[in-house]
Amino acid sequence: SQWGEENLQALSIQEGEDVTMNCSYKTYTTVVHWYRQDSGRGPALIILIRSNEREKRSGRLRATLDTSSQSSSLSITAAQCEDTAVYFCATATGGNNKLTFGQGTVLSVIP
Amino acid sequence: GGIITQTPKFLIGQEGQKLTLKCQQNFNHDTMYWYRQDSGKGLRLIYYSITENDLQKGDLSEGYDASREKKSSFSLTVTSAQKNEMAVFLCASSNRVQDTQYFGPGTRLLVL
Repeated sequence: SQWGEENLQALSIQEGEDVTMNCSYKTYTTVVHWYRQDSGRGPALIILIRSNEREKRSGRLRATLDTSSQSSSLSITAAQCEDTAVYFCATATGGNNKLTFGQGTVLSVIP
Repeated sequence: GGIITQTPKFLIGQEGQKLTLKCQQNFNHDTMYWYRQDSGKGLRLIYYSITENDLQKGDLSEGYDASREKKSSFSLTVTSAQKNEMAVFLCASSNRVQDTQYFGPGTRLLVL
């Protein structure tokens, strides 16, 4: 994927603020996964939204999916320092529906 | 639950050396993956395998070989390490190619 060659986007916010990260994709997907990668570890799934859902919530996380504009967003409410991590979206695209990772965002939450 | 184990955790090699990284999973997943992650960048797929003895090239397969010896293990070989190369190699597994991927902690490679 071309995204793996791109620098990660960087976002820095104050603790307590809300933040939204966006993901756009080029072809139809049946699902959007959002992964979080902590420093020194592999990515881990935090929320998943399917094409028949417009919104999904899990604790302070909220994912949206707009199939018409082929975009998804991940919002974190009242961000905390422990939300500092790299966040990736992944979509199931292509002829075999293989999960493909998009460009990641480095989120820094400052106390 | 399950776990993915990657060995070694750190790998230091010499230019031109052939280096092998190993990955084991006990999820009983059919599909396994190898990704490369350079510092400050995203994930690039090197190889994946949808079943034992299957091998599919990713976007970055040149310079690498892979082997799916059995369902639970997937190894990656850097055929000729490049000087000053530094990256993290991540192994993952999933049931099907469109399902959630579970990642290991990574192998950190440094080539002197």
